[in-house]
Amino acid sequence: KQEVTQIPAALSVPEGENLVLNCSFTDSAIYNLQWFRQDPGKGLTSLLLIQSSQREQTSGRLNASLDKSSGRSTLYIAASQPGDSATYLCAPQGSNDYKLSFGAGTTVTVRA
Amino acid sequence: DTEVTQTPKHLVMGMTNKKSLKCEQHMGHRAMYWYKQKAKKPPELMFVYSYEKLSINESVPSRFSPECPNSSLLNLHLHALQPEDSALYLCASSQKSPGQVYGYTFGSGTRLTVV
Repeated sequence: KQEVTQIPAALSVPEGENLVLNCSFTDSAIYNLQWFRQDPGKGLTSLLLIQSSQREQTSGRLNASLDKSSGRSTLYIAASQPGDSATYLCAPQGSNDYKLSFGAGTTVTVRA
Repeated sequence: DTEVTQTPKHLVMGMTNKKSLKCEQHMGHRAMYWYKQKAKKPPELMFVYSYEKLSINESVPSRFSPECPNSSLLNLHLHALQPEDSALYLCASSQKSPGQVYGYTFGSGTRLTVV
């Protein structure tokens, strides 16, 4: 069974700082990996999807890297803003069953 | 249309009630999913439909009954629920072709409270 760990569990930074969110997973047989954002009581918003053959993916201030062989992904958020405050979830997708496995998330607070 | 729409957004039901959650997408996705999320926990997979057929049931109690009437619509029928079933219920969809699956799109969820 895929186990996903996200570190840190929570992060509080002043506005403008760069954020680094880490994700590790135990089974490297993944099809792709998605990063999601979740605001309190809301659904999941997809931020980035990295195919297993890719090393990184970028969208605006967001950049995600993937090292499939070592079971690691990192989400970088540049120049953080208060609107970035949310929980960020890492979800590798299994290549055998295509299921998403979720980490417990990193809750980010960006202080104005 | 790049959204997954869930209705209702909030639902309060008694333990003897029967209710249904609805999920709709018009992206042509052929895989649809139900997830359950308790407070401060990650989402947990309940059911997977692939090409309108139930392909995965994660040992969900029979008081939850999924239905996929067509390729755009997914329902979750609820009956005789317990207070511990109170949670955020999330629907998702993904494109799927033989041997390939693409990223998931999630709806905004239904907040269910069982009293």
